[in-house]
Amino acid sequence: AQKITQTQPGMFVQEKEAVTLDCTYDTSDPSYGLFWYKQPSSGEMIFLIYQGSYDQQNATEGRYSLNFQKARKSANLVISASQLGDSAMYFCAMREGVSSNYKLTFGKGTLLTVNP
Amino acid sequence: GAVVSQHPSRVICKSGTSVKIECRSLDFQATTMFWYRQFPKQSLMLMATSNEGSKATYEQGVEKDKFLINHASLTLSTLTVTSAHPEDSSFYICSAGLIGGSPYEQYFGPGTRLTVT
Repeated sequence: AQKITQTQPGMFVQEKEAVTLDCTYDTSDPSYGLFWYKQPSSGEMIFLIYQGSYDQQNATEGRYSLNFQKARKSANLVISASQLGDSAMYFCAMREGVSSNYKLTFGKGTLLTVNP
Repeated sequence: GAVVSQHPSRVICKSGTSVKIECRSLDFQATTMFWYRQFPKQSLMLMATSNEGSKATYEQGVEKDKFLINHASLTLSTLTVTSAHPEDSSFYICSAGLIGGSPYEQYFGPGTRLTVT
């Protein structure tokens, strides 16, 4: 079974609107971390936001927020006030365990296109 | 902040030759580095986990004799693609975990685009 599932191969959003990118995960480890990365066409992986499994509050970083629903094992990324520069590939990832030296498992990604 | 570099950024080589890709943590020490491969329009697939001073741990299906990994110091890991073939053409990305850093910090290099002709 896939550990990280992103069901939206592509999403479109109008500039200045909000968009939600879906991510569900599967793990039996009680300690895990969930990540979202942005990959523009240049290829670099840009860290956006992190949610730990024991974090009580949803993570927020500027225009990015993570809608963490632990019982449903979902960690959706919400981008508010979309900008043209947000057009990129977005990957959800999970690390099982608490150390930054544990490997990440990535979803297949969602290609976001922001229309003017 | 923590920076990871990769060299070269792009390389073109002939089939049958070997190519070495370097991954360096520039301003921090990393006991563990990870090597990923990404084919066009696909996700990142972990190839191996590289630990300083010990043998790399390869993921299932990755040929350890073809993809040689050396982690000689706390700031340098290298990936050598031996006897490269066109099907090895891909985007290779490394990442490094920060010793003593926040639990969520894993830093990615900018990637190396390999084309085998």
